[in-house]
Amino acid sequence: GNSVTQMEGPVTLSEEAFLTINCTYTATGYPSLFWYVQYPGEGLQLLLKATKADDKGSNKGFEATYRKETTSFHLEKGSVQVSDSAVYFCALSDWSSASKIIFGSGTRLSIRP
Amino acid sequence: GAGVSQSPSNKVTEKGKDVELRCDPISGHTALYWYRQSLGQGLEFLIYFQGNSAPDKSGLPSDRFSAERTGGSVSTLTIQRTQQEDSAVYLCASSVRDRGLNEQFFGPGTRLTVL
Repeated sequence: GNSVTQMEGPVTLSEEAFLTINCTYTATGYPSLFWYVQYPGEGLQLLLKATKADDKGSNKGFEATYRKETTSFHLEKGSVQVSDSAVYFCALSDWSSASKIIFGSGTRLSIRP
Repeated sequence: GAGVSQSPSNKVTEKGKDVELRCDPISGHTALYWYRQSLGQGLEFLIYFQGNSAPDKSGLPSDRFSAERTGGSVSTLTIQRTQQEDSAVYLCASSVRDRGLNEQFFGPGTRLTVL
């Protein structure tokens, strides 16, 4: 069945450091891929998405590229800020199983000033 | 426009009591989902409604859990005879079912604590 595996946290970085959170997936079809973010005390928000191979999703300085050959959707940001501290979830939605999003386990990111 | 809303935001109950959690999806969204987020765990799918179709209940953990969606809009998740392991944040999401995307919009969640 479909699944998402993402880098375990917590991840702690200094402000302005480069960020990568790895995410790989298993899917039978051609899924759409997402990164969701959950800031402290807030609900889940969609951060970025990509719907087909080689698409790049981007938002708030974050980027992720849909790599079909490596079944990956790694999240990157060139220079993180304290305000990026949150839990990040990689997720997929496959039309063949269409009823739900499959989430990874989440990666907690903490940024030190 | 208004997002997904959930009520109550927090619920504390005693073991063995029944609870009802409410979700108001975004107007016009035909699909509605319930998830559970337990402490230190990821997001667990519970149930899905799409239009007038029979709901996908494949994620409900036991027969103590049930959900309804009235008039294709508001949904209520009911947990009967609550247990301490039911303590979690219950999230509702809605979407416009669009082939190939299925972007879901989440509510703020209801934090359930079973004493």
